[in-house]
Amino acid sequence: GENVEQHPSTLSVQEGDSAVIKCTYSDSASNYFPWYKQELGKRPQLIIDIRSNVGEKKDQRIAVTLNKTAKHFSLHITETQPEDSAVYFCAARDSNYQLIWGAGTKLIIKP
Amino acid sequence: DAGITQSPRYKITETGRQVTLMCHQTWSHSYMFWYRQDLGHGLRLIYYSAAADITDKGEVPDGYVVSRSKTENFPLTLESATRSQTSVYFCASSLNQETEAFFGQGTRLTVV
Repeated sequence: GENVEQHPSTLSVQEGDSAVIKCTYSDSASNYFPWYKQELGKRPQLIIDIRSNVGEKKDQRIAVTLNKTAKHFSLHITETQPEDSAVYFCAARDSNYQLIWGAGTKLIIKP
Repeated sequence: DAGITQSPRYKITETGRQVTLMCHQTWSHSYMFWYRQDLGHGLRLIYYSAAADITDKGEVPDGYVVSRSKTENFPLTLESATRSQTSVYFCASSLNQETEAFFGQGTRLTVV
């Protein structure tokens, strides 16, 4: 079955710098890759997603890239701000249409 | 966000007791999910449902029971709670299997 690995588990960046979180997946049939943000004590919320027929998608300071050949996808946050501090989860939808989740990355924005 | 709600928000129960976590959505979404969230494991799928009266096991179903007699409700029951089931439980729903999943606020369950 699908396996999703997410790195790093913790990422600390200076405010204003960029942050990159990477995920790899194992099922070549996976075709949908969402990213969720979870603030402390809150529910996970979708911030961006990408489908397998697209290589990159951008929404203001957030972008996601997908490399189907290498089976990895990444979240890029530019000009980080204090409100970007949260745990970020990647996921991949496998051939059974189930979302398989990464273990999460705690992003810390240093002032 | 008010479209999917969980109750209770917090629950403390004793080992061996039966406990039911409730999930209600007002969007008429076909799909509903139950996840547990533990440090270092991310979100793990317990059970999911594609429609009323259709349920299926996820990654970690042992010790849990679900039902879905109505589209809007998807209760999760721990038949005999164990300490290892101490966790934060999230319910989620999606219109279909290809659309965004919306999460409830979560239920923090402590088994003592």
